[in-house]
Amino acid sequence: AQTVTQSQPEMSVQEAETVTLSCTYDTSESDYYLFWYKQPPSRQMILVIRQEAYKQQNATENRFSVNFQKAAKSFSLKISDSQLGDAAMYFCAYRNMMEYGNKLVFGAGTILRVKS
Amino acid sequence: GAVVSQHPSWVICKSGTSVKIECRSLDFQATTMFWYRQFPKQSLMLMATSNEGSKATYEQGVEKDKFLINHASLTLSTLTVTSAHPEDSSFYICSARDLYTETQYFGPGTRLLVL
Repeated sequence: AQTVTQSQPEMSVQEAETVTLSCTYDTSESDYYLFWYKQPPSRQMILVIRQEAYKQQNATENRFSVNFQKAAKSFSLKISDSQLGDAAMYFCAYRNMMEYGNKLVFGAGTILRVKS
Repeated sequence: GAVVSQHPSWVICKSGTSVKIECRSLDFQATTMFWYRQFPKQSLMLMATSNEGSKATYEQGVEKDKFLINHASLTLSTLTVTSAHPEDSSFYICSARDLYTETQYFGPGTRLLVL
């Protein structure tokens, strides 16, 4: 079974600084997607960034970028110029595109605190 | 962007009653919808996957007679918690996958408190 591991239960970052959230996953599949979702205090899940496994180039969305290391099965999220609004719980997720239903498998989450 | 709505946003009910939660994709069609349960400061736990016009697929350990799921159209799925008990109190989140883009969007969640 595929698993997603987020080893950092909590992280803190100073406003305007950069922080990296870690994520590793375990799979024997080759066709999969990886995601980072943000869940702020409102608890609305928001898609931050998506990476297709077949793409070598790391995905970027404004201040958010990933470091996708396929061989190491690592998928970290870098948040640059951190803002107070970035404070949330962040979930790394995996989706096997070859599996029927291809449901999302979530990590345990990392709480990110942003200090002003 | 695509929006998924959930209704009600929160509900308080007495033990033994049934509660229905609706999940709608407002501006896209979804053949597949998902229902999750989340406890405070924990991850989302997938309860079941529903496909339009067919029976839902439940995850191991989830009682299908307890959590009834109906996906009657491409824009609506419902979760009914039957004979609710205090241990069913939780935050329930639905998610809908866009038929054409395959992108999965999440609803705002429903807080259920069973007294």
